[in-house]
Amino acid sequence: EAGVTQFPSHSVIEKGQTVTLRCDPISGHDNLYWYRRVMGKEIKFLLHFVKESKQDESGMPNNRFLAERTGGTYSTLKVQPAELEDSGVYFCASTISGANTEAFFGQGTRLTVV
Amino acid sequence: GQSLEQPSEVTAVEGAIVQINCTYQTSGFYGLSWYQQHDGGAPTFLSYNALDGLEETGRFSSFLSRSDSYGYLLLQELQMKDSASYFCAVRRGGATNKLIFGTGTLLAVQP
Repeated sequence: EAGVTQFPSHSVIEKGQTVTLRCDPISGHDNLYWYRRVMGKEIKFLLHFVKESKQDESGMPNNRFLAERTGGTYSTLKVQPAELEDSGVYFCASTISGANTEAFFGQGTRLTVV
Repeated sequence: GQSLEQPSEVTAVEGAIVQINCTYQTSGFYGLSWYQQHDGGAPTFLSYNALDGLEETGRFSSFLSRSDSYGYLLLQELQMKDSASYFCAVRRGGATNKLIFGTGTLLAVQP
């Protein structure tokens, strides 16, 4: 069974440009989460989808970040326009519905804004 | 506010036992999870405690005291491959069931 996959693995963009990150969760996992880790700091929650609906987007930094999950399958996270402080590793995780204890993470996308 | 405190770095030798502590202060608590991350890759699930006490999974054990808002991860018979970052994470429960992570502990296992 395929795990959580993220694309691209690395992205280097200039300040002001746009970048779109993609996450494919494990098939059948209704819950999809986006997290970000800035070097040396905590893995910070960004938002949570249940199927195609945003359940919690309290961690989104500002309106330059837009997440979608059309059809309740894969998700995209777009940063427009990117700023230097957006650099970090963006992780996606998925879980099954109901009482669950384990989140499955992707390998992450390392975003560098220069 | 919400915070989870862990030591930033721990060093130990092969074959030894090491304990990584985690204290938390969160609004809403459903359980405490532990994740391992090698070289900045995908965090992988190690253990979960919803109730007080010790959970054992092979060489790894995890402990929780809800009244003290404290938990720890115990790694026994350390191996070089255990060198990694270890994160505690509070599961908030409720509709979102999201994980709130600590800053992580970098464990270095030396020969």
